[in-house]
Amino acid sequence: DTGVSQDPRHKITKRGQNVTFRCDPISEHNRLYWYRQTLGQGPEFLTYFQNEAQLEKSRLLSDRFSAERPKGSFSTLEIQRTEQGDSAMYLCASTEQAMNTEAFFGQGTRLTVV
Amino acid sequence: GIQVEQSPPDLILQEGANSTLRCNFSDSVNNLQWFHQNPWGQLINLFYIPSGTKQNGRLSATTVATERYSLLYISSSQTTDSGVYFCAVSRMDSSYKLIFGSGTRLLVRP
Repeated sequence: DTGVSQDPRHKITKRGQNVTFRCDPISEHNRLYWYRQTLGQGPEFLTYFQNEAQLEKSRLLSDRFSAERPKGSFSTLEIQRTEQGDSAMYLCASTEQAMNTEAFFGQGTRLTVV
Repeated sequence: GIQVEQSPPDLILQEGANSTLRCNFSDSVNNLQWFHQNPWGQLINLFYIPSGTKQNGRLSATTVATERYSLLYISSSQTTDSGVYFCAVSRMDSSYKLIFGSGTRLLVRP
């Protein structure tokens, strides 16, 4: 296992279009997190899965955002009717469900809405 | 929620110099990590250090949990050390979601 993988690395889309991002966590990790990072800021939490259950969503996650982790493995994050304010780096992280909660991040998906 | 403050916000060093980055947090935490964000945006794990001291090559970190701060030391800096350094904390009662500071932007000049 080479770590957390995200796809695509870059996405340019027109305002109003829908986009979907994928995250493949480290295989033995039960917990999966999505974060968003805008220019000059630290990443901010969006949502959290334990196995297939979505257990927490940030207020940053508007109704246009939806995330799934159907079989407790990979996860998808969809943004509907994209807006220019959605332009950001979207980061995925995973951790074990154990005492060691060190988080490992993927390479991120950089979204540009034009 | 927990507040995380990093200092300094920006740092310029000559190659070979040493530096100390600081992270203060406003409440008790179960996890603290230091990351280096490379120019392509990926967060590289440096230390998982809820408490105590760890060393990895030219880098070392110390967390004093009772006083709610952590320090990252970079010795004999190299140009490849340039980038943004983030401190992030989490708590068990918050699903271990990470709360990040605003980062320290380091530029090492040759």
